[in-house]
Amino acid sequence: SQQGEEDPQALSIQEGENATMNCSYKTSINNLQWYRQNSGRGLVHLILIRSNEREKHSGRLRVTLDTSKKSSSLLITASRAADTASYFCATVGVYNFNKFYFGSGTKLNVKP
Amino acid sequence: DVKVTQSSRYLVKRTGEKVFLECVQDMDHENMFWYRQDPGLGLRLIYFSYDVKMKEKGDIPEGYSVSREKKERFSLILESASTNQTSMYLCASRPGLGGRPNTGELFFGEGSRLTVL
Repeated sequence: SQQGEEDPQALSIQEGENATMNCSYKTSINNLQWYRQNSGRGLVHLILIRSNEREKHSGRLRVTLDTSKKSSSLLITASRAADTASYFCATVGVYNFNKFYFGSGTKLNVKP
Repeated sequence: DVKVTQSSRYLVKRTGEKVFLECVQDMDHENMFWYRQDPGLGLRLIYFSYDVKMKEKGDIPEGYSVSREKKERFSLILESASTNQTSMYLCASRPGLGGRPNTGELFFGEGSRLTVL
């Protein structure tokens, strides 16, 4: 299975702190994407990083990708209570671009 | 903005009933997907469609079928619902690229939480 695995499963921090979530996967990828899901809602795309990229930024988000270790991390800086959600990584393989492999997510709680 | 609309947010059905979950997108996307989401298992692909009347099985198609008669609408059908199909169902779409492969993001609906009693 190519499924991504997030770590930690749950994370609780104070507002203003940084939150780091990690994702590991098993096989070669075309790209890796991070999604956010508020409780009971659909997923929203946050950021995509391609296999030939090492780091990407979007606002308070920073994503890194290490293809040699088959891992990625998502850093949310200066977190806010509104960042409370579950975060999922999804990998897209090199052969079938319609197969997204999602991990089971990291549940982030940001305390005000 | 892309809008993916799932017809029912919450459904309660009985074992053996036929269940239809509807999904409509308003951005003329070629590709549409149905996932189910269960705690600890992440999202698992049930079926996807890359064009009208075209479909491919995902990782867990057993017990499900799909229909795509119009480009904007992708329906998931549970022919005879069972309790192990109690889950959150998520529809997603994304554009095609005129025949070129698309490796980009998915646009999700709000989800349909199905309970089978």
